[in-house]
Amino acid sequence: GAVVSQHPSWVICKSGTSVKIECRSLDFQATTMFWYRQFPKQSLMLMATSNEGSKATYEQGVEKDKFLINHASLTLSTLTVTSAHPEDSSFYICSAGGGFLNTEAFFGQGTRLTVV
Amino acid sequence: GDSVTQMEGPVTLSEEAFLTINCTYTATGYPSLFWYVQYPGEGLQLLLKATKADDKGSNKGFEATYRKETTSFHLEKGSVQVSDSAVYFCALNKVYNQGGKLIFGQGTELSVKP
Repeated sequence: GAVVSQHPSWVICKSGTSVKIECRSLDFQATTMFWYRQFPKQSLMLMATSNEGSKATYEQGVEKDKFLINHASLTLSTLTVTSAHPEDSSFYICSAGGGFLNTEAFFGQGTRLTVV
Repeated sequence: GDSVTQMEGPVTLSEEAFLTINCTYTATGYPSLFWYVQYPGEGLQLLLKATKADDKGSNKGFEATYRKETTSFHLEKGSVQVSDSAVYFCALNKVYNQGGKLIFGQGTELSVKP
């Protein structure tokens, strides 16, 4: 099956710094990827849709200047958390559509971000 | 708007007990329905899915039937194991060719004791 790899698996950063998270589709091309955020013991909330070669589409309430998304190739989307603060600490997961007619979702393993 | 509602957890069962996790959805049109499982510290794994009414998804002893009349997709397993301990998410997808775009329920934590 299709594989989506996310890197890093966990990261600790200081307040005010920026952190980049990568999401790669390893054996298929993904024109669209999705970024989710998961708070402890809560559900996954869609943050944005990452579109290859164009601007990301953000869900209501998500700060696009805080969470920069770049989808420069058919296999890589990046999420950069800018000027991170402790409240940005969370579990971030990406997904890519694939399979027959792009109807299946393949998830990365997630990135645990801790801002201190 | 579209949404998914799951029964609250945590659910604690003894090994070999019967499991039911309720899931209901609100959506226009004809969504596809999914169950995902998340083990501690890991990402999500697809457990099973159903793409149209009356379809039954099954995998690893888990089953769920897409009931359009009751807008439900309840997860069941006849005999749980300790290794089934995880968080289970019910989800729906409405954009047929964007399989990665899902609406999730709040998750139900399952703990199976030996």
